[in-house]
Amino acid sequence: AQSVTQPDIHITVSEGASLELRCNYSYGATPYLFWYVQSPGQGLQLLLKYFSGDTLVQGIKGFEAEFKRSQSSFNLRKPSVHWSDAAEYFCAVGPSGNTGKLIFGQGTTLQVKP
Amino acid sequence: EAGVAQSPRYKIIEKRQSVAFWCNPISGHATLYWYQQILGQGPKLLIQFQNNGVVDDSQLPKDRFSAERLKGVDSTLKIQPAKLEDSAVYLCASSLAAGQPQHFGDGTRLSIL
Repeated sequence: AQSVTQPDIHITVSEGASLELRCNYSYGATPYLFWYVQSPGQGLQLLLKYFSGDTLVQGIKGFEAEFKRSQSSFNLRKPSVHWSDAAEYFCAVGPSGNTGKLIFGQGTTLQVKP
Repeated sequence: EAGVAQSPRYKIIEKRQSVAFWCNPISGHATLYWYQQILGQGPKLLIQFQNNGVVDDSQLPKDRFSAERLKGVDSTLKIQPAKLEDSAVYLCASSLAAGQPQHFGDGTRLSIL
């Protein structure tokens, strides 16, 4: 069955420090992979996506993610975190078919210390 | 471009009452999704429309939930009767086509008393 695991429920980093959020997936074929961010009281905003090609993808707000097929991972990184990055982050996997259905992880809450 | 619009933003009802949510997707987006997000969890797909047809409603509790997208644009999601476990945020999303990136509305937060 398709699934997404985000091992870290809550992460705290200092402003200016680097960030890595982990995501592992289980999927039978080549997946589509996404990272979304959700600020309190708002919907989800797409940070970046991987469909195929270069395994290092760049997104908005200075985020990047690397697809590692051998590890079934798609970790999100940012070299220097800003206070405004505090939010909840969701990794999602989608089928390569035409249904468009996304399976989301349970999310990682990021807290940024001044 | 205008984003996905949802209303109301908040709704409080008592159990066994009925409630309806409305979604207006981004213009030209053929695919529309309704997700349920329970506190502390990721969104879970309830139903997916392609134009006005249902593509996937396998996780929709059909004994109490219904959804429609009659003209292939706006959509409504209804719960009747509501249960305590329906307390959640209901998110609507749309995409140009299935498999394309989904754009989310701000959601409707439903509280059941």
